[in-house]
Amino acid sequence: DQQVKQNSPSLSVQEGRISILNCDYTNSMFDYFLWYKKYPAEGPTFLISISSIKDKNEDGRFTVFLNKSAKHLSLHIVPSQPGDSAVYFCAADSRISNFGNEKLTFGTGTRLTIIP
Amino acid sequence: SQTIHQWPATLVQPVGSPLSLECTVEGTSNPNLYWYRQAAGRGLQLLFYSVGIGQISSEVPQNLSASRPQDRQFILSSKKLLLSDSGFYLCAWRGQFFSPGYTFGSGTRLTVV
Repeated sequence: DQQVKQNSPSLSVQEGRISILNCDYTNSMFDYFLWYKKYPAEGPTFLISISSIKDKNEDGRFTVFLNKSAKHLSLHIVPSQPGDSAVYFCAADSRISNFGNEKLTFGTGTRLTIIP
Repeated sequence: SQTIHQWPATLVQPVGSPLSLECTVEGTSNPNLYWYRQAAGRGLQLLFYSVGIGQISSEVPQNLSASRPQDRQFILSSKKLLLSDSGFYLCAWRGQFFSPGYTFGSGTRLTVV
């Protein structure tokens, strides 16, 4: 049962435009969400997160939006740059039930390619 | 500051041979530790996690095992590798109680031939 889904395995965007990566979840107990970026042959690195008490969190070119009623989150990258080409994973946590000390649930990833 | 070390970076092993991948964390105590695998073209699959010395939770029945002999050391092992064990193995750590997320190691590319 895939509780966190990234339905687009790949996405291509022109440099300078907006990249929008989507993630859906099914478990209503999830209350904290994260995005990770992964280059080939490297470990994923943390990008940005959002708590369920918020609907938006911004960090430079990266903004994450959370729609709890739709159980949907998205990552916006503006403007997109060639160095943003990577695989992006969304992840979800249930801090209330897990006390924040157990496992994250990851999506399957979206490969973003920025076209120069 | 906290750092995580994972080795080796690449490994080519014949079918039926044993495996030992090691992960150590510095600069923190009593971390939660995790082993993930990314198979070619696929997402991150959680294999094992540990919330303390000697405490191992297995997520997926498989040909692998994990051990945590020391607080900041996590080892992934196999007695006899299968071709299907090929993949990119990632170790990660997380602090206790509402830490924001994982910090991953640099990964090990395992090819079973």
